[in-house]
Amino acid sequence: EADIYQTPRYLVIGTGKKITLECSQTMGHDKMYWYQQDPGMELHLIHYSYGVNSTEKGDLSSESTVSRIRTEHFPLTLESARPSHTSQYLCASSEPAAHEGAYNEQFFGPGTRLTVL
Amino acid sequence: KNQVEQSPQSLIILEGKNCTLQCNYTVSPFSNLRWYKQDTGRGPVSLTIMTFSENTKSNGRYTATLDADTKQSSLHITASQLSDSASYICVVSDRGSTLGRLYFGRGTQLTVWP
Repeated sequence: EADIYQTPRYLVIGTGKKITLECSQTMGHDKMYWYQQDPGMELHLIHYSYGVNSTEKGDLSSESTVSRIRTEHFPLTLESARPSHTSQYLCASSEPAAHEGAYNEQFFGPGTRLTVL
Repeated sequence: KNQVEQSPQSLIILEGKNCTLQCNYTVSPFSNLRWYKQDTGRGPVSLTIMTFSENTKSNGRYTATLDADTKQSSLHITASQLSDSASYICVVSDRGSTLGRLYFGRGTQLTVWP
């Protein structure tokens, strides 16, 4: 099992609260990702990072923000949570592909199940 | 539009039986195709990864096939066990960016009954 961790695993909060979902990995991977997944639906990329001080928005528009101050940590923050943010949030990390045609396997954390009331 | 379609959406089989899950994709240019297993409430775990030149790869009781010409893949599970109950996700990566963008299917929810 990969060394990538997410906390909390479950979170139930009220509307308007600020929350931070933690993600950390001990593999020294440069690339990290945040995905959002609703039940029975595909994963959607919401943020990614190539390395320290690098953050980019993904395919799915999200009101969340991320930071990458250290290689190991890639926290996701919601300034004011709303019921529409209720979902599962998955963090992943990978190494760069070694060469053209190689693949960069992504390792996923266990996820955070967020419920906003 | 790059897409990954999986079938069936859900499947119930008896313990010890075999099953085959299907994946069709339109992702181009193609880099590799992965099958992940996702247990309920957990993150996906990689089962197999195949590049353009590979047409079959096994991981224990899991065997994946790839036909890059027809853009189809299958995952065959042999002698199913109760622990195989999970969602199986087909994921295709493109070569169009340094990110190696991943396109996810919605998964096939497999339930194995005793």
